[in-house]
Amino acid sequence: AQKITQTQPGMFVQEKEAVTLDCTYDTSDPSYGLFWYKQPSSGEMIFLIYQGSYDQQNATEGRYSLNFQKARKSANLVISASQLGDSAMYFCAMREGPQETSGSRLTFGEGTQLTVNP
Amino acid sequence: EAGVAQSPRYKIIEKRQSVAFWCNPISGHATLYWYQQILGQGPKLLIQFQNNGVVDDSQLPKDRFSAERLKGVDSTLKIQPAKLEDSAVYLCASSPRPNTEAFFGQGTRLTVV
Repeated sequence: AQKITQTQPGMFVQEKEAVTLDCTYDTSDPSYGLFWYKQPSSGEMIFLIYQGSYDQQNATEGRYSLNFQKARKSANLVISASQLGDSAMYFCAMREGPQETSGSRLTFGEGTQLTVNP
Repeated sequence: EAGVAQSPRYKIIEKRQSVAFWCNPISGHATLYWYQQILGQGPKLLIQFQNNGVVDDSQLPKDRFSAERLKGVDSTLKIQPAKLEDSAVYLCASSPRPNTEAFFGQGTRLTVV
């Protein structure tokens, strides 16, 4: 079974509008972490935001926020006020197990290609 | 602060040849990862080092892939012999501690013909 599922292969948004990129995950471990990365066409993976399974509040980093719904096992990324430079591939990833434990693998989803239109 | 450095950026080889990739992580980062990203897919972890010890290499095809991290800093990933299905981008990443956010290099795009 897929541990990370991103159901939107591609998304389009108008500049200055908000967009939500979906991510659902599957784990039986009570301790886990969720990450979002951006990969522009240059190829480098850029860390955006992190949510721990025990965090009480949704994570926010500037224009990025993570809509964490633990019961539904979803961790959607919300980008507010989209910019042309946001056009890129976006990956959701999960680490299973406590953060202190080494050797806990980061598993990535298949990604969503976001295109911001002027 | 300098980022993760990788070389070469691009490599084209024939099948059955050997190839090596080099990675210099961010200074002070104890954890180093090598990922394989096949076109259209998310990255897949090949190997994870903590300092110069291997923490996870369960998805490394050990019959042809090898990696080392001497002195707990730079790392090399080698493929010998290469197959057509090894065509991918090989990403190196580092983090200050295990399981925190990883910082990635720009990757090496390998084409096996």
